[in-house]
Amino acid sequence: ILNVEQSPQSLHVQEGDSTNFTCSFPSSNFYALHWYRWETAKSPEALFVMTLNGDEKKKGRISATLNTKEGYSYLYIKGSQPEDSATYLCAPTNAGGTSYGKLTFGQGTILTVHP
Amino acid sequence: ETGVTQSPTHLIKTRGQQVTLRCSSQSGHNTVSWYQQALGQGPQFIFQYYREEENGRGNFPPRFSGLQFPNYSSELNVNALELDDSALYLCASSSGGSGNFGEQYFGPGTRLTVT
Repeated sequence: ILNVEQSPQSLHVQEGDSTNFTCSFPSSNFYALHWYRWETAKSPEALFVMTLNGDEKKKGRISATLNTKEGYSYLYIKGSQPEDSATYLCAPTNAGGTSYGKLTFGQGTILTVHP
Repeated sequence: ETGVTQSPTHLIKTRGQQVTLRCSSQSGHNTVSWYQQALGQGPQFIFQYYREEENGRGNFPPRFSGLQFPNYSSELNVNALELDDSALYLCASSSGGSGNFGEQYFGPGTRLTVT
């Protein structure tokens, strides 16, 4: 069972602020790291799949970095908008064995962007 | 929208009863995973089905069981319901047992309340 930690647990920002959150995970036997955005009353939506150390991904105002050697990933949101309000979940997955392809989620970071 | 559907949306059951939740996977996907999300936590992996066979299980007791059908839709069955089983149950579909580094597409969930 992977120990996945996300911080902070919740975050309140003003519209236009930039923000970032952290996902920490065990670095051994790493395969991939997934970021999901989960808006209330909707399905979790895949944001990024990251696999390589030093990987950077970007989707509009949202970007993410990955450090597999030290076991962390950062998610950045530039110029937050109210529609960015959601729970952001990270989930690493390990290589090999029965854990292959299984997602282990952190508890999430709840972002609220105030107009 | 991911194309993954779940039924019912909400369900209220009494302690000791049995419940069946259903999931239809996205077209072209042969793998379904089930997750339990309790209040304040990230989704916890229950089990995964790949081509009608169980392909990994999380830390859940045997009264949580599942099925996958030839069309790759799936059921989650929970026997002898307990109050702590109250949660949102998510299913997610993917391709090839891992597909794209384990990327999964989620349904909207079934909210189960046990009284």
